[in-house]
Amino acid sequence: AQSVTQLGSHVSVSEGALVLLRCNYSSSVPPYLFWYVQYPNQGLQLLLKYTSAATLVKGINGFEAEFKKSETSFHLTKPSAHMSDAAEYFCAVSTRDNDMRFGAGTRLTVKP
Amino acid sequence: DVKVTQSSRYLVKRTGEKVFLECVQDMDHENMFWYRQDPGLGLRLIYFSYDVKMKEKGDIPEGYSVSREKKERFSLILESASTNQTSMYLCASSSVWGQGTYEQYFGPGTRLTVT
Repeated sequence: AQSVTQLGSHVSVSEGALVLLRCNYSSSVPPYLFWYVQYPNQGLQLLLKYTSAATLVKGINGFEAEFKKSETSFHLTKPSAHMSDAAEYFCAVSTRDNDMRFGAGTRLTVKP
Repeated sequence: DVKVTQSSRYLVKRTGEKVFLECVQDMDHENMFWYRQDPGLGLRLIYFSYDVKMKEKGDIPEGYSVSREKKERFSLILESASTNQTSMYLCASSSVWGQGTYEQYFGPGTRLTVT
C-alpha cells in the first residue's frame, strides 16, 4: 500500500520568504499526488495535483510542486509567502479508488 | 461550483447517544468517504462507498457504521458515542478512478464533542 511522509509538522517563514513544504511518498505503481490546504475550522481544499502529465504542477494561490520519481518526492513551494498562506497543508497519494493516503500535515506559520 | 455539505458544523453529544452525521454532494460522484481528523494523525479513513448501498471499511471502522441509500447522500452513524470519538469528521466525494481527475472534494467538517 502507498504512504506519505511529510517532513516537519510545523514550518515558520517570514512574509515574502520562500515556502517549502516537503512530501515523500511510497508507491509500487505510478501514483497520483495531491496537495490540499485546510484553513481553521474548514474542510480541505485542493491546491494542485499530479496525474502523470507534466512533472511541474502549478496550482492556486501561486503554489507549485514538482514530481521527482527518482527521489519519490512531491515538495510544495511558493516563491513569496503571504500572511494569508498560514494554514495546514496535507500531501496525499492515490493509486486506486479507495486508497487515497494522507500525510500527517504541516502547519505553516507566516510571520510579519 | 462543486459542493459537499455536512449537516452540522458543531455537535455536542453525550456518551452512549446514537449520533448521525450526514453528507450530501451535488456532483453526481460515485465515491463518497468519511474521515476523522485528529491532531498529528492527519486524516484517517473510516468508511467509503463506491455506489448506492455499497460500502467498504477503511482503516478505523470500529464503533462506526454508514448508510448510502441515495447516490448523493452518505451518512455516518455512531451507534453508541464514546469520548474517544470526539474529533473532526470530514466527508468527501470523488469521481471513479480513470474518469476525470479523481481528486476528492471535501465538506466543511463536523466538529463532534462527546461528553
